[in-house]
Amino acid sequence: GQQLNQSPQSMFIQEGEDVSMNCTSSSIFNTWLWYKQDPGEGPVLLIALYKAGELTSNGRLTAQFGITRKDSFLNISASIPSDVGIYFCAGQRGGSNYKLTFGKGTLLTVNP
Amino acid sequence: KAGVTQTPRYLIKTRGQQVTLSCSPISGHRSVSWYQQTPGQGLQFLFEYFSETQRNKGNFPGRFSGRQFSNSRSEMNVSTLELGDSALYLCASSLAGIGTEAFFGQGTRLTVV
Repeated sequence: GQQLNQSPQSMFIQEGEDVSMNCTSSSIFNTWLWYKQDPGEGPVLLIALYKAGELTSNGRLTAQFGITRKDSFLNISASIPSDVGIYFCAGQRGGSNYKLTFGKGTLLTVNP
Repeated sequence: KAGVTQTPRYLIKTRGQQVTLSCSPISGHRSVSWYQQTPGQGLQFLFEYFSETQRNKGNFPGRFSGRQFSNSRSEMNVSTLELGDSALYLCASSLAGIGTEAFFGQGTRLTVV
C-alpha cells in the first residue's frame, strides 16, 4: 500500500542535540499525526495537526503541518536518552477515507 | 481514563488455524481501526469500524475480517493462518475517526509456526 516518505531512516545523535525529521507525500492529507513507538509497544501519539501551516508544540517537541498539505516535520529540541525510539508520521485524507497512512519511521538513537 | 486494551498480548498459532483478537477502545470512542505492523511493510491499514459498521477496508485478503459490537469493542479474525501473517496487530481508537486523535493499544504479537 501507499506510504509516506519519511526521512531520515535513522539518526544517531548526542544528548542535548536538536533533531529534525520530516514526511512528504504526493497526495494531500487533511490531518497529520506524529507517533513514537518503543520496542514491543504500540505507537504513542505525540502531536496532532489539523490545519495547513499549523505549528504545534508538546514540551520539547514541535511539529508543523506543511502549507501544501503534502508534508509535515517534527523537531525535538535538547534530546535526552529517553527520546530513543522509532518516530512515525501518519496522514489522514479525510472525507470518507478514515485510514491512517504511515511513514516507515525514523529510528532515533541518543548517545548520553 | 483507561487506554486502549488489546488482548491477548501474545499468541502462537499453527498454519491453517484461525485466530481472534480483541480490542476495547477508550471509553466514549466509537471508531476502531486495525493495523498490521511488520518489519518489511511497516504499518498497514486493515479496516475501520464506527457504530458497528465497517467504513473502510485496506488491501488485505478476505481471510482478514472484523466486527464491532454495540459497546464499541472490536474483534478481528484471521482464518487459515499463513506464516506471513506473523506480525504485531494494533488497534487504534478515536472519537469519530476523522480529524481526531487516534490512540493505539499495545498490540497483539501473533506468531504463526
